[in-house]
Amino acid sequence: RKEVEQDPGPFNVPEGATVAFNCTYSNSASQSFFWYRQDCRKEPKLLMSVYSSGNEDGRFTAQLNRASQYISLLIRDSKLSDSATYLCVVNIDNYGQNFVFGPGTRLSVLP
Amino acid sequence: EAGVAQSPRYKIIEKRQSVAFWCNPISGHATLYWYQQILGQGPKLLIQFQNNGVVDDSQLPKDRFSAERLKGVDSTLKIQPAKLEDSAVYLCASSPRTSYTEAFFGQGTRLTVV
Repeated sequence: RKEVEQDPGPFNVPEGATVAFNCTYSNSASQSFFWYRQDCRKEPKLLMSVYSSGNEDGRFTAQLNRASQYISLLIRDSKLSDSATYLCVVNIDNYGQNFVFGPGTRLSVLP
Repeated sequence: EAGVAQSPRYKIIEKRQSVAFWCNPISGHATLYWYQQILGQGPKLLIQFQNNGVVDDSQLPKDRFSAERLKGVDSTLKIQPAKLEDSAVYLCASSPRTSYTEAFFGQGTRLTVV
């Protein structure tokens, strides 16, 4: 089993749609979690950290379920500019940093 | 605040040649990472430094890849000799020395081996 797995995608959705991405991780001791966004031919950039209580940033909501080792990202009211690959990232190190990336899920928002 | 700097941006070499990439992390960041990203995949960690010491190089193909971080600041990643399957984007990232902060990425070096 891979350490971090994501929905294979791609997701093609119309503008204004709500889309959800799922991510599972295998290391139950993982402590911190992130969603990164990567535009075509660009470097990954942090979208949001994922907290145990869940967190929201505008149209984006991230949820963490430690018992199920599952992370989600919800995008509401999709914009054309949301088109990108979304990478789930897990820090598997209890005491430091060891970031493991998922394969990414590509989103295309269509006019 | 200046970001992570990488050079060159692009490199084309023939197989069996050698190549080197350079990275300058964000000032004050103790941790430096080199990732390899093959088209259509997520970044894969090659090596992680904490200051000038190696924390994790378990996925570095040591027969052909080497990396160093002299003085705990800049880092170089070298491939010698290159293979066709080394064609990828090589991303450098850095982060402060705390567990819950994210990594910041440079723009990467796109390597094509022909």
